[in-house]
Amino acid sequence: GAVVSQHPSWVICKSGTSVKIECRSLDFQATTMFWYRQFPKQSLMLMATSNEGSKATYEQGVEKDKFLINHASLTLSTLTVTSAHPEDSSFYICSARTAGGEEDTEAFFGQGTRLTVV
Amino acid sequence: AQTVTQSQPEMSVQEAETVTLSCTYDTSESDYYLFWYKQPPSRQMILVIRQEAYKQQNATENRFSVNFQKAAKSFSLKISDSQLGDAAMYFCGYFGNEKLTFGTGTRLTIIP
Repeated sequence: GAVVSQHPSWVICKSGTSVKIECRSLDFQATTMFWYRQFPKQSLMLMATSNEGSKATYEQGVEKDKFLINHASLTLSTLTVTSAHPEDSSFYICSARTAGGEEDTEAFFGQGTRLTVV
Repeated sequence: AQTVTQSQPEMSVQEAETVTLSCTYDTSESDYYLFWYKQPPSRQMILVIRQEAYKQQNATENRFSVNFQKAAKSFSLKISDSQLGDAAMYFCGYFGNEKLTFGTGTRLTIIP
């Protein structure tokens, strides 16, 4: 199956700083990437959908100026948490959807990033 | 807006027995995809099974099968011959209108 690599797997940062999380599709081209936030023992909340070369579409209630998403190429999307605060601490997961073919109907997930803001 | 509902927060099953996890969804679209993903303690999301809405035949993958009722907007997952390794959170997912959204999940415990 296709592989999605998410980096870093965990990060601790100071309040007020920014953190960048990378999501790479290693062996396929991802036209669409999804970013999720997951609180402990809860579901995956869709934050935004990004398509290569265009602006991300944010879900209602998600601050686009705080969670900057860039999808500059077909294999890389980044999520930057700007001016992080303790309430931003969470588990962030990316998912990539292939450009077409038999696997077009499947989304592949990264390993997730645990962000702790102190 | 599409919504996915999993009404069973927790389920348990005896090893080697069969268990069914329920999922319902709400959509106005006719073409979409449905998924069941498994999330073990590692938190890596693993695809269990998928179903295209235009296909009437229920999808099966070894011990995993679904009961897809399009008119009722129901998509349940049946796990046969449950194994200890099946213990995980199970999320029902809906892909349509370029979005992939999930239900609240069901925690499955396997009793040895």
